[in-house]
Amino acid sequence: EAEVAQSPRYKITEKSQAVAFWCDPISGHATLYWYRQILGQGPELLVQFQDESVVDDSQLPKDRFSAERLKGVDSTLKIQPAELGDSAMYLCASSLGTSDYNEQFFGPGTRLTVL
Amino acid sequence: GQQLNQSPQSMFIQEGEDVSMNCTSSSIFNTWLWYKQDPGEGPVLLIALYKAGELTSNGRLTAQFGITRKDSFLNISASIPSDVGIYFCAGLPKLGAGSYQLTFGKGTKLSVIP
Repeated sequence: EAEVAQSPRYKITEKSQAVAFWCDPISGHATLYWYRQILGQGPELLVQFQDESVVDDSQLPKDRFSAERLKGVDSTLKIQPAELGDSAMYLCASSLGTSDYNEQFFGPGTRLTVL
Repeated sequence: GQQLNQSPQSMFIQEGEDVSMNCTSSSIFNTWLWYKQDPGEGPVLLIALYKAGELTSNGRLTAQFGITRKDSFLNISASIPSDVGIYFCAGLPKLGAGSYQLTFGKGTKLSVIP
């Protein structure tokens, strides 16, 4: 069964360091999402891609976060420098991405701990 | 960011009991979704609702899209141990073309006592 792949599954870093997360969506899915989930809360959208283009990054803290999907397939989310408040689960999701809403399939997430 | 009001926050029930949880919002949504998340995993879609008043079932799960478009509920009948997890509601407003910004509730943590 096709799944969204994410790596690493866990990341521990010190504040002020740079971290990067990788996501490989389900094959053929044009739309890719990055979410942040703080412990005890629901996921919050950070950025949405349609192919290689950013559709919505209104909730992305652009002073320290960046995301790219250069070839419209896999994607990288980077944080530089990391802060204590960035500790969270970072989830990637993908969907077919047509003009209508399609189901978003989530990956297992990357658990980030900033010390 | 905005979050939905989901209740209860947690519940402990006996195996075999029915469960009910709900979600409310001050905003109108065009789509309501219910997800389940197991520890260390991403959310998995359980039920999607697309029309006000719609009642949809998936096995022992039943969900309804409120008439006002501002609420939804999820029922689980005859709970079993594998129902344990965190259940999230999510709403999708009518945004610009191609932008699908889901708004999630804070989750209901379900524990089932065998």
